Amino acid sequence: DTAVSQTPKYLVTQMGNDKSIKCEQNLGHDTMYWYKQDSKKFLKIMFSYNNKELIINETVPNRFSPKSPDKAHLNLHINSLELGDSAVYFCASSQVFTGTTEAFFGQGTRLTVV
Amino acid sequence: AQSVTQPDIHITVSEGASLELRCNYSYGATPYLFWYVQSPGQGLQLLLKYFSGDTLVQGIKGFEAEFKRSQSSFNLRKPSVHWSDAAEYFCAVGGQTGANNLFFGTGTRLTVIP
Repeated sequence: DTAVSQTPKYLVTQMGNDKSIKCEQNLGHDTMYWYKQDSKKFLKIMFSYNNKELIINETVPNRFSPKSPDKAHLNLHINSLELGDSAVYFCASSQVFTGTTEAFFGQGTRLTVV
Repeated sequence: AQSVTQPDIHITVSEGASLELRCNYSYGATPYLFWYVQSPGQGLQLLLKYFSGDTLVQGIKGFEAEFKRSQSSFNLRKPSVHWSDAAEYFCAVGGQTGANNLFFGTGTRLTVIP
């Protein structure tokens, strides 16, 4: 079973569209994250979220919004897509508040905005 | 401020040769340190982690890393590289709560030649 799964794996869309990327974890972790990997392979945290707190990286445009229907899911919604949003987006999860574990990452979603 | 430096952007080694990838970090509290590997088109897989205790940690695939507090380093090593080790390697640092909001280095791309 895949621990952290993201869909879709590839997403090609036009500028101005709104899109969502889904993420699910079956590890029972209490915290989930979204990371962005740019064209130079640099990984940067966008959001971290548990059932109590959403922490937003202040550099993330408000066109990006995480939505968590339940503890096992953290979806990423992006409004009015721009060319610069093209990147690989990784979802991750970890158990933070009841233990110290590493983050488990999904396979990534390659977003291309044309 | 938190930061991770991987000074080598690209390293090429011969199969069977030893490998050392460098990582230096800056962190205001006790660091939790990680090495992840990303194969082409894949997600991030944890190789090893350091939270406390023995400063020499063993990971998967024959990798090990040594935490040196005095040098703020966490270098990754492998005594004999295999062709399948060709990938991108990321060092990351997290806080006291473990993997919460990892700060990644810019990665080192490893090429293995026969």
